[in-house]
Amino acid sequence: GENVEQHPSTLSVQEGDSAVIKCTYSDSASNYFPWYKQELGKRPQLIIDIRSNVGEKKDQRIAVTLNKTAKHFSLHITETQPEDSAVYFCAAILGGSQGNLIFGKGTKLSVKP
Amino acid sequence: EAGVVQSPRYKIIEKKQPVAFWCNPISGHNTLYWYLQNLGQGPELLIRYENEEAVDDSQLPKDRFSAERLKGVDSTLKIQPAELGDSAVYLCASSSRQEETQYFGPGTRLLVL
Repeated sequence: GENVEQHPSTLSVQEGDSAVIKCTYSDSASNYFPWYKQELGKRPQLIIDIRSNVGEKKDQRIAVTLNKTAKHFSLHITETQPEDSAVYFCAAILGGSQGNLIFGKGTKLSVKP
Repeated sequence: EAGVVQSPRYKIIEKKQPVAFWCNPISGHNTLYWYLQNLGQGPELLIRYENEEAVDDSQLPKDRFSAERLKGVDSTLKIQPAELGDSAVYLCASSSRQEETQYFGPGTRLLVL
């Protein structure tokens, strides 16, 4: 079955610095990789996603890179702000649309002002 | 567009009591998911519905958990009897045929005493 490993489990950065979170997946058939942000007591919210036919995707201060050969993908946040503080989850989905998401264990990001 | 709605938001019960959670997905979304999220962990799939059919319930503990989505819209997840280890957040998510993105509800936080 699919397994997703996420590192680090906690990450503390100074405001304005960059943050990088890395994930690896086990099933080479996985073709969709979303990233969710979850603030304390709130719902997971999609912040960016990438499909296996693309190597990189960027949305303002957030970018995701995918290396299919190595089976890993990363989230990059530049110019971090205190409101970026949250838990971030990577996930991988097997197969086409409406498959099952397998989540990593999360990274607690703290941005210090 | 209204998001995924869940109720109740919080529930405290004594062990061995029954409990039920309700979910209303985003209008038009045919796929509905129930996830379990333990503290400090990523969501784990319990059951996935496509319309009214449960297409993947392999992770649902069927001795005490049950779910239904009778008309292919709202869904109810039930636990009977609840155990101490069931204390967690129960998340509902939905997606459409056209995209893989899953949208989460706010969750129901269950505490079993």
